[in-house]
Amino acid sequence: GAVVSQHPSWVICKSGTSVKIECRSLDFQATTMFWYRQFPKQSLMLMATSNEGSKATYEQGVEKDKFLINHASLTLSTLTVTSAHPEDSSFYICSFIKGAGFTDTQYFGPGTRLTVL
Amino acid sequence: AQSVTQLGSHVSVSEGALVLLRCNYSSSVPPYLFWYVQYPNQGLQLLLKYTTGATLVKGINGFEAEFKKSETSFHLTKPSAHMSDAAEYFCAVSGGNTGKLIFGQGTTLQVKP
Repeated sequence: GAVVSQHPSWVICKSGTSVKIECRSLDFQATTMFWYRQFPKQSLMLMATSNEGSKATYEQGVEKDKFLINHASLTLSTLTVTSAHPEDSSFYICSFIKGAGFTDTQYFGPGTRLTVL
Repeated sequence: AQSVTQLGSHVSVSEGALVLLRCNYSSSVPPYLFWYVQYPNQGLQLLLKYTTGATLVKGINGFEAEFKKSETSFHLTKPSAHMSDAAEYFCAVSGGNTGKLIFGQGTTLQVKP
């Protein structure tokens, strides 16, 4: 199989605090992974692409200093939302590409629901 | 540039009826096309994908989709809906060598008994 986990599954924090979300591939290694954000009743929006050992590439409009991505190893990536505000409340989902080709399947984590009060 | 349009944000069918979810794409490079399903508060699960070769693609849970280049479409079908098919469905496109997925707006499938 291809299992991706995220931790925590949900988090509530106060405005101004930072939150770290972990994403792990449990049974495969992946060079490339992605972070998405999904607002209620909306589609997934790509935030950034991350390659192990390299700096993440952010999509237009995504603040790299606010959403810190660390692709620490072939099985672990973290997203830190710094100085979170209520507008950052969303469902954050990660995915890893299993395989060497870019048409290979992306496997998604179960998501982390962030609520900023 | 690439984009995906899913026609119909909400589709309702009776159990046992045909399911048809529509997806049209725009891509300046040969597209790779995907359908994902999302159950509430969960991540996405791949139903099927088209990269090259046969244009009729069969996926899991009895779903299939046909790539029609002339119509720039990749509609998802299932002959007979089950209650367990009720979920959110996303069509996505990627291309080139980035692996990035561009998602459509999603279609909520409701299955009535």
